[in-house]
Amino acid sequence: NAGVMQNPRHLVRRRGQEARLRCSPMKGHSHVYWYRQLPEEGLKFMVYLQKENIIDESGMPKERFSAEFPKEGPSILRIQQVVRGDSAAYFCASSGSGKEQYFGPGTRLTVT
Amino acid sequence: KQEVTQIPAALSVPEGENLVLNCSFTDSAIYNLQWFRQDPGKGLTSLLLIQSSQREQTSGRLNASLDKSSGRSTLYIAASQPGDSATYLCAVSGHKIIFGKGTRLHILP
Repeated sequence: NAGVMQNPRHLVRRRGQEARLRCSPMKGHSHVYWYRQLPEEGLKFMVYLQKENIIDESGMPKERFSAEFPKEGPSILRIQQVVRGDSAAYFCASSGSGKEQYFGPGTRLTVT
Repeated sequence: KQEVTQIPAALSVPEGENLVLNCSFTDSAIYNLQWFRQDPGKGLTSLLLIQSSQREQTSGRLNASLDKSSGRSTLYIAASQPGDSATYLCAVSGHKIIFGKGTRLHILP
């Protein structure tokens, strides 16, 4: 049973470009969570999704950021018009009917 | 609003010593508490998860305790080794996980 998969592992974008981060949850998991870790800061919750629904997006920046978890396919975290301050590690986690979240290896976004 | 605090922020100890990392949280309404390890530039490795109804969990040289009423958890590492050097994160779960900022541990050979 493969764990949570994220791709790409490393992503470089120039300012103003779009970044798309993908997360495939563990098999059988229908809950996905995104977290961001800024340099020298702790991990912060961004958004919680179930299939086709956003449950809690209280940690998402109000502009340029969006997330989806379609019926088929991976969850996508999309950042439009990236700025240098978006450079961070973005972690995805998934859970099933239990509460324990399993984390992916992360995507490291660098904005140049 | 849940807040998680970890003390100390950084710790250096000689190899072989036993050590304790501390974590406190402000809201006792949690599903569970989890300790993670993170190596520089890497992802998270789950070390121990304590359900809200439990008091402690053990894995090898690691022991984690949970006192919900006082909002505290400790991670005890016995007979520390240089390979234990990493950042240790405490995290509490409601429907989302709230992380502490971590303790950077350095074990001196």
